[in-house]
Amino acid sequence: NAGVTQTPKFQVLKTGQSMTLQCAQDMNHNSMYWYRQDPGMGLRLIYYSASEGTTDKGEVPNGYNVSRLNKREFSLRLESAAPSQTSVYFCASSPDGGTGELFFGEGSRLTVL
Amino acid sequence: AQSVTQPDIHITVSEGASLELRCNYSYGATPYLFWYVQSPGQGLQLLLKYFSGDTLVQGIKGFEAEFKRSQSSFNLRKPSVHWSDAAEYFCAVGAGNYGQNFVFGPGTRLSVLP
Repeated sequence: NAGVTQTPKFQVLKTGQSMTLQCAQDMNHNSMYWYRQDPGMGLRLIYYSASEGTTDKGEVPNGYNVSRLNKREFSLRLESAAPSQTSVYFCASSPDGGTGELFFGEGSRLTVL
Repeated sequence: AQSVTQPDIHITVSEGASLELRCNYSYGATPYLFWYVQSPGQGLQLLLKYFSGDTLVQGIKGFEAEFKRSQSSFNLRKPSVHWSDAAEYFCAVGAGNYGQNFVFGPGTRLSVLP
């Protein structure tokens, strides 16, 4: 009964390093999302994927890339990390039919020094 | 584009007291409205949602919210708070009912005194 699984849960990077956040869901959802959460700013959408093979930019895509590897997996890559990317990252998925319910992973806390 | 404000950054209530968390939105049409809760170290969980119809909606964990079009508000209420309700609460407004259309408010942190 995993739902949405994110790895890693914690990561510390130096400026300029790269890394990939992994996300997988086992609910057979078509739509998947990456958000970042910063204090006092709520959640902001980075990228989303409405179906396997498609990705689109959200509100704050700069400095990130994504890959929808298959229906289950949606990864977020930081090619050259910057201190401004220090944040908590959440992956989410939603079922077809537009119920409005997002299912979230537990988050990945990233610190860029 | 839509926007959401949650005027209260942090609220403290005593266990057993009533609770109201405020949410105001800006959107040109009838929005989709949501409340999510985030327990410490966890992801967000949907509490309740409003799409249309009855303006008073019931959610999980004994929460309810009322949509007031004239005030552009969607306030969350609970008659008697439990210590386990301590969490952060996010209001979200959607131009549609998929995540790419949502805007989240900044959140209200709820503390519960024993």
